[in-house]
Amino acid sequence: EADIYQTPRYLVIGTGKKITLECSQTMGHDKMYWYQQDPGMELHLIHYSYGVNSTEKGDLSSESTVSRIRTEHFPLTLESARPSHTSQYLCASSETGAGIYEQYFGPGTRLTVT
Amino acid sequence: AQSVTQLDSQVPVFEEAPVELRCNYSSSVSVYLFWYVQYPNQGLQLLLKYLSGSTLVKGINGFEAEFNKSQTSFHLRKPSVHISDTAEYFCAVSTISGGYNKLIFGAGTRLAVHP
Repeated sequence: EADIYQTPRYLVIGTGKKITLECSQTMGHDKMYWYQQDPGMELHLIHYSYGVNSTEKGDLSSESTVSRIRTEHFPLTLESARPSHTSQYLCASSETGAGIYEQYFGPGTRLTVT
Repeated sequence: AQSVTQLDSQVPVFEEAPVELRCNYSSSVSVYLFWYVQYPNQGLQLLLKYLSGSTLVKGINGFEAEFNKSQTSFHLRKPSVHISDTAEYFCAVSTISGGYNKLIFGAGTRLAVHP
């Protein structure tokens, strides 16, 4: 069973607030990812990281930012939340190496901005 | 660019009936294919994967999928479904680009199992 955690699971917050979504994994994976998923839609990659101090933007443009100061921790921050940020955010990680490895997903954070 | 098409957005089926969830992909290079399941209010869980070798892949919970290169398909099957199989199922294709293991997901198929 994958050991990847996300907090909070649900968050309702007002427009303009700063928020941080937490993601942690205990598997020692170097690669971590953030996806955005709207209801009934596919997942879109918004950020990824190969390791500490490495972060890249994904395929879907996002106003959020990420940091990777520790291997196990990959938080996502929105400086000023807007209703358009309402979505589910999923964090994932995968093994290091040149091969193809499956990604392990956390339970997600469902964000609602009012 | 790679893409994944899940041909059915919803599949209703009665309990103990067989089911097939269809997935087609487009790619000009080697492909690695995955099926994930998402139960309500949860993250994604890997059902099975195809990396190489036998084209028939067996996964967890009695699911299996067949990789068909000529038809660029990777359909998911189960011979007899249970109520507990009700969930969203995502097909995904993976490739390595610049050392980055990238997953591209289909839009998902909602499987609804009725008693």
